[in-house]
Amino acid sequence: EVQLLESGGGLVQPGRSLRLSCAASGFSFTGYAMTWVRQAPGKGLEWVSSISGTGGYIYYADSVKGRSTISRDNSKNTLSLQINSLRAEDTAVYYCVKEWSTWGDNWFDAWGQGTLVTVSS
Amino acid sequence: EIVMTQSPATLSVSPGERATLSCRASQSISSTLAWYQQKPGQAPRLLIYGASTRATGIPARFSGSGSGTYFTLTISSLQSEDFATYHCQQYNDWPLTFGGGTKVEIK
Repeated sequence: EVQLLESGGGLVQPGRSLRLSCAASGFSFTGYAMTWVRQAPGKGLEWVSSISGTGGYIYYADSVKGRSTISRDNSKNTLSLQINSLRAEDTAVYYCVKEWSTWGDNWFDAWGQGTLVTVSS
Repeated sequence: EIVMTQSPATLSVSPGERATLSCRASQSISSTLAWYQQKPGQAPRLLIYGASTRATGIPARFSGSGSGTYFTLTISSLQSEDFATYHCQQYNDWPLTFGGGTKVEIK
């Protein structure tokens, strides 16, 4: 069974940084692209960033580009997202998401339960 | 950026009735569309990919159709567990984008 367990969320002040992590199990982690999707309270889903199975391809949404870094450690089956210079509009539940394949089939067949990030002073 | 527009925002349907949800893309995306179901307090769940292929374990009452810029998700006979919010997502181009969602509520 695929399991994705996010951690690292919490209350953080504007301008500070946060690192989210996702522990993956139940599938061959290296063989799949991974993505972060977020959802602001009461709002729709927003794609944040994706990384290919080998880490060779990376994309970011404009809303986080330049202040975020997605990475993966295939030896530890973990996915990470570092967001710097946090803003109130970054407040959201962040989902760790597994893609259908190693790259190119960018739909999401497994989701974690999410971790809430609240940016407030 | 490809803008995805879902309609209606809210759909009121009686159990056992048919529900048809729409998703429109601002430019052609061929069949690179997925649908997700999300219940309150839960993560989304994949229903459909490739515009019309049901994901593993998804009941046959869920069907997707369309290509190009217009897509529909049909639930043939609504069950109590189907009342939820449905999201469409295009994966034709970066950035990946979602529609705003359609909430299916009990009439």
